[in-house]
Amino acid sequence: SQTIHQWPATLVQPVGSPLSLECTVEGTSNPNLYWYRQAAGRGLQLLFYSVGIGQISSEVPQNLSASRPQDRQFILSSKKLLLSDSGFYLCAWSETGGINYGYTFGSGTRLTVV
Amino acid sequence: DAKTTQPPSMDCAEGRAANLPCNHSTISGNEYVYWYRQIHSQGPQYIIHGLKNNETNEMASLIITEDRKSSTLILPHATLRDTAVYYCIVRVGSGYSTLTFGKGTMLLVSP
Repeated sequence: SQTIHQWPATLVQPVGSPLSLECTVEGTSNPNLYWYRQAAGRGLQLLFYSVGIGQISSEVPQNLSASRPQDRQFILSSKKLLLSDSGFYLCAWSETGGINYGYTFGSGTRLTVV
Repeated sequence: DAKTTQPPSMDCAEGRAANLPCNHSTISGNEYVYWYRQIHSQGPQYIIHGLKNNETNEMASLIITEDRKSSTLILPHATLRDTAVYYCIVRVGSGYSTLTFGKGTMLLVSP
């Protein structure tokens, strides 16, 4: 069966520090991968998605970047964190092509920038 | 993707059916209706989806009107663990179409 792993669960980082969040998927190949963010009291916002290795689409211009170095690995990064980067970050995957039975989300990383 | 409208909050007594409405009057012929829920501090969870026929699975039932302009998610016997934000999303059913979440409906199930 397919599983998605996301870590760390919580993270407290100072303003100006770098960020690297990792997400990996097991039990499938060539998945679509997604990064979402949920700021406190707000809805889920799609940040990036990827349909293949090295292919990244950005939905919202911001202080963050994403990379997909391997088929089932998706990384969210920042060179210098801002206070506004605080939030709940979620990775998700879905099957490619055909009828999509939905996204499967990871357990999330709660990032607090201080 | 078509826009959806949901009530911001609803209450339901434990053991009763929870009927969550969603309006999607601008839905296109190739767009599906998806439902997800998000329990506090967790990632969203897929519940069910449909195109035009009513659907049922182990979690819920989805009733789509004949003109497809609205739908209702039914939790037949709500439990306290069903307290969550429920999102109704309309999107093309292909792998290249991303999922856009609105504000959803906060369902509170009480004893």
